[in-house]
Amino acid sequence: EVQLVESGGGLVQPGRSLRLSCAASGFTFDDYAMHWVRQAPGKGLEWVSGISWNSGSIGYADSVKGRFTISRDNAKNSLYLQMNSLRAEDTALYYCAKEYSSGLFDYWGQGTLVTVSS
Amino acid sequence: QSALTQPRSVSGSPGQSVTISCTGTSSDVGGYNYVSWYQQHPGKAPKLMIYDVSKRPSGVPDRFSGSKSGNTASLTISGLQAEDEADYYCCSYAGSYTFEVVFGGGTKLTVL
Repeated sequence: EVQLVESGGGLVQPGRSLRLSCAASGFTFDDYAMHWVRQAPGKGLEWVSGISWNSGSIGYADSVKGRFTISRDNAKNSLYLQMNSLRAEDTALYYCAKEYSSGLFDYWGQGTLVTVSS
Repeated sequence: QSALTQPRSVSGSPGQSVTISCTGTSSDVGGYNYVSWYQQHPGKAPKLMIYDVSKRPSGVPDRFSGSKSGNTASLTISGLQAEDEADYYCCSYAGSYTFEVVFGGGTKLTVL
């Protein structure tokens, strides 16, 4: 059974940093690209960042470019999102999602909540 | 990176059909046959309903269908049921060099 379990969320002050993790199991992690997708309270889904199976291709939404860094450790079956210079508008539930192919997300975690507030 | 355009809400009675549109550009929806649709019930993670414009994952009822014409994709739900009431999001691949994906703003489906 595929499982994606996010962790690392919490309350953080504007300008500070936070690192999210996603532990994957139930599939061959290093065969697939992985993504982070967020959802602000009461709002829609927003793609944040994606990384190919070998970290050779990486993409970011304009809203986080230069502040967030995605990475993965295939030996640990884990995906990460380093979030720096956090802003109030980064407040959201952050989902880890497995990409089956070309933007197709077949499995999602339950999300970890990030709240940016003073 | 502009979000794909979806109607904010649609509604229909049980047994009827509804169609949700998703408009993008030639750089996303129009440029690739990689449009997917996700259903999200309150407090739940999104669920894949349609992929590659018109394919259904196993377990998704054939009441759900997808299509695309130019820069606009569509999700049609026929024989509406109460449990179909949810938010629906379209999503499109937006480029291999930039490794980008773009979502629509979401559509709230109400079953009257």
